[in-house]
Amino acid sequence: DTGVSQDPRHKITKRGQNVTFRCDPISEHNRLYWYRQTLGQGPEFLTYFQNEAQLEKSRLLSDRFSAERPKGSFSTLEIQRTEQGDSAMYLCASSSTPYGGRGPSTGELFFGEGSRLTVL
Amino acid sequence: KQEVTQIPAALSVPEGENLVLNCSFTDSAIYNLQWFRQDPGKGLTSLLLIQSSQREQTSGRLNASLDKSSGRSTLYIAASQPGDSATYLCAVRWGVAGGTSYGKLTFGQGTILTVHP
Repeated sequence: DTGVSQDPRHKITKRGQNVTFRCDPISEHNRLYWYRQTLGQGPEFLTYFQNEAQLEKSRLLSDRFSAERPKGSFSTLEIQRTEQGDSAMYLCASSSTPYGGRGPSTGELFFGEGSRLTVL
Repeated sequence: KQEVTQIPAALSVPEGENLVLNCSFTDSAIYNLQWFRQDPGKGLTSLLLIQSSQREQTSGRLNASLDKSSGRSTLYIAASQPGDSATYLCAVRWGVAGGTSYGKLTFGQGTILTVHP
């Protein structure tokens, strides 16, 4: 297994542009999470999916943000009309529910390397 | 409000020293607690996960303890090395009544550890 992968690793964009990040979770994991992390802070929860269903969204996820996981595998996070305040590291993680994967699971989260967004 | 706090925010120690990082949480009804390591500009690496029914977990030179009644967890690092320098993050998954909770983690702000030769 190759772990959680995220693409792109770095994105520089101008204010007002749209950006999309992709996350490929660990293959047997049915839950996928998005977090945002700014410098010197711990990660903040944005949203999570169980299979293709989006189960929870944070108030941080404004109308400009949308996340999808159409086939219950990879996920995309799109930010429309980016603002300078959107500059952050966007982290994806995956886990299994107790018997949602290929056997019993502790629910441990595994993170990808993150996608760093810089909005000029 | 369910919050996680880590103290100190930064710690600098000489190589070889044993050290303790602290994590406190406001609600004792946790499901589990996970410790992570983060190197600059990188993602998070899971170190240890403690279920609410456990008191401690060990992996190599790392030992994490959990005391739900006092709302505290500690990460003990034995014989520290310069390669241990990183940010250490504590994260709590809160429990839900009557069922499993494999939902979101709430993170502390982290402790920046520097181990100098």
